[in-house]
Amino acid sequence: EVQLVESGGGLVQPGGSLRLSCAASGFTFSSYWMSWVRQAPGKGLEWVATIKQDGSEKYYVDSVKGRFTISRDNAKNSLYLQMNSLRAEDTAVYSCARGGTWRDKWGQGTLVTVSS
Amino acid sequence: EIVMTQSPATLSVSPGERATLSCRASQSVSSNLAWYQQKPGQAPRLLIYGASTRATGIPARFSGSGSGTEFTLTISSLQSEDFAVYYCQQYNNWPPDSFGQGTKLEIK
Repeated sequence: EVQLVESGGGLVQPGGSLRLSCAASGFTFSSYWMSWVRQAPGKGLEWVATIKQDGSEKYYVDSVKGRFTISRDNAKNSLYLQMNSLRAEDTAVYSCARGGTWRDKWGQGTLVTVSS
Repeated sequence: EIVMTQSPATLSVSPGERATLSCRASQSVSSNLAWYQQKPGQAPRLLIYGASTRATGIPARFSGSGSGTEFTLTISSLQSEDFAVYYCQQYNNWPPDSFGQGTKLEIK
C-alpha cells in the first residue's frame, strides 16, 4: 500500500524557518516525480514545488521562489521542504504528493502556522 | 497564469441522482486536466486525469469530459460516500499548475 506521511509542521514566527519531511513507502520512490501542495485553512489547493526523480530539476510557485527549497533522499525514501523567511500567508496544511503534473497519491499533510 | 473557475460553488443532489460539476479554464489547457475528491480531514483523491481517464480504482460512475476550456465531471448515481469537495486542476504548460476553488457536493 502506498503511504506518504508528512512531519515537521508547527508554529513558527514570521521570518522563521521550518523543514518538512515526507516518508514514502509502498512504491519505488526513486521512480517518481514528487510534489508539495498546500491548503490554507478553509481554502483550496495550491501547488508549491516539484522535484524530478533524481533531483536534477526543481520547480516552484512564484510566491515561494528564493525562500523554499525542495529536496529528496532516494536512499531514505524521503522528500523534504526547507522553508525560510516564512510569512503569515504561508500558513497552511502542507501535503506531499506523488507525481509532477497530476498527482495520484497524497499524504494527510502537516500544519504550518506562521504567527507571532 | 491560467485561472480555473468551478461551478457551482455548492451543489445539492439526492442520493441516486446524477451530479454534474463544471470547470472552466481562462485559456485552453487541451486535455491536461485532472479532478480530485476531498473529504473533510482527508487527503485529496485523484479521480480523473487527461480530462477523461479514470484513475486506478475509481468507480465507473465517475466520468470526465471536455477539452480546451470547458470540462465536466459527472457522477452518474450518487452514493453516500460521494458527498465531498471536488477540485479540478490544469497542468497544461506545467509548471505552474492551478486548481479551481472547488465545488462542494452536498446531500439534498
